[in-house]
Parts: sequence; structure tokens; C-alpha cells
Amino acid sequence: KQEVTQIPAALSVPEGENLVLNCSFTDSAIYNLQWFRQDPGKGLTSLLLIQSSQREQTSGRLNASLDKSSGRSTLYIAASQPGDSATYLCAAWMDSSYKLIFGSGTRLLVRP
Amino acid sequence: DAGITQSPRYKITETGRQVTLMCHQTWSHSYMFWYRQDLGHGLRLIYYSAAADITDKGEVPDGYVVSRSKTENFPLTLESATRSQTSVYFCASTLRWGTLNSGANVLTFGAGSRLTVL
Repeated sequence: KQEVTQIPAALSVPEGENLVLNCSFTDSAIYNLQWFRQDPGKGLTSLLLIQSSQREQTSGRLNASLDKSSGRSTLYIAASQPGDSATYLCAAWMDSSYKLIFGSGTRLLVRP
Repeated sequence: DAGITQSPRYKITETGRQVTLMCHQTWSHSYMFWYRQDLGHGLRLIYYSAAADITDKGEVPDGYVVSRSKTENFPLTLESATRSQTSVYFCASTLRWGTLNSGANVLTFGAGSRLTVL
């Protein structure tokens, strides 16, 4: 059974720091991995999706990498800002089903 | 308004009552999903739909019913609400699923419906 784990559960950093959020999965047979952002009381916003054939994707200050062999994905946030404060979730799509398997998220606080 | 909207945003009900959560999207996305989000369990798929009149069970479907008579609407009904169904419910949609084409599988979520069952 696929499990997706995100460590740490919470992270607090000063503004301007570069930071890395981690996502690990137990079964390397994933089709793609997606990173989401969730603001309090809001829905999820898709940030980046990495296909299994890709190693990374970039959008602005965000860079997501995927290493299937080690069962890991990382989300790199450059020059963090207070507006980046949110919960970040990763989700793996495993097979021909319609189910995404979500991690429990990392709650990020960027202090001014 | 364009996008995906859920209603009601907040609902308090009593055990045994029937509750319907509405989801409406304006993009004509083929695929729609219902998730619930709970502390300690993360997001779990309840039901999904690949097109109008095509629905199927997800990970935790017991106690829920869905329908999709129109592409844009995907209501979720709790036939007899229980306390364990207290949760935040999210509807999501995407145009394409199951391919490696650009944009496929990218989900757009609604703002959520917070349901409390007393």
C-alpha cells in the first residue's frame, strides 16, 4: 500500500530564506507527483506537477524535483516571503485509478 | 463566476438527517472528485466521476451518494449523517485524467464545505 509522508509537519523560517520541503513515498511506481498549497479555510491550489519521466519542474521561485528510485520529492522555495505561509501538500498518482494519495502536509510560516 | 464553487460553505446538522453538498464548475471539465479532509487522515477520495452519468467509488464511499446528471454539477449526499462524517469536504475537477499530456491530472479545488454533525 502506497504511503506518502511529509516531514516536518511544521516549519518556521525568517523571510528571505531558501527552504526545502520533503515528500517521500513508499512505492516508486508512481505516474506523477503533484505539489499543492492550501491556505487556511481555503481549497488546494496546484503548484507543480512532475511526470514520472521528468526529474523536476519550475514555476517562478518554486522548483520541485522527483527521484523515483529513492522515493522522494522535494519542493524548493527560493527567497521565501510571508505570503508563502501556508500548508504544502504533495500527492502521488499511482496507477490507472483516479485516486491521488496525499501526504499530511507541511505547515510553513515565513516570519517578516 | 468562473471556477468551481461549493455550497454551503458551512453546515451544521444532526445525526440521521440527509445533507447535500453542492459542487458546480464552469469549465466543462470532464472529471470531478469529492474528497474529505480530516486531521490525522489527510485528504481521502470519496467518489469521482469521469463524465455525466458516470460515477464510481473512491476510498471511503460508505454513507455517501453522488449523481452527475449534468457535466457542471456533482452533488454529494449524506443519506443519514453520522458524527464520523464531520469533516471538510472538497470538490475538485480536471479536464483530462490518466494521460501524460500537459495539463492532465492537474486538479482545481473548490473552497470546501465544512460540515458538522451533532
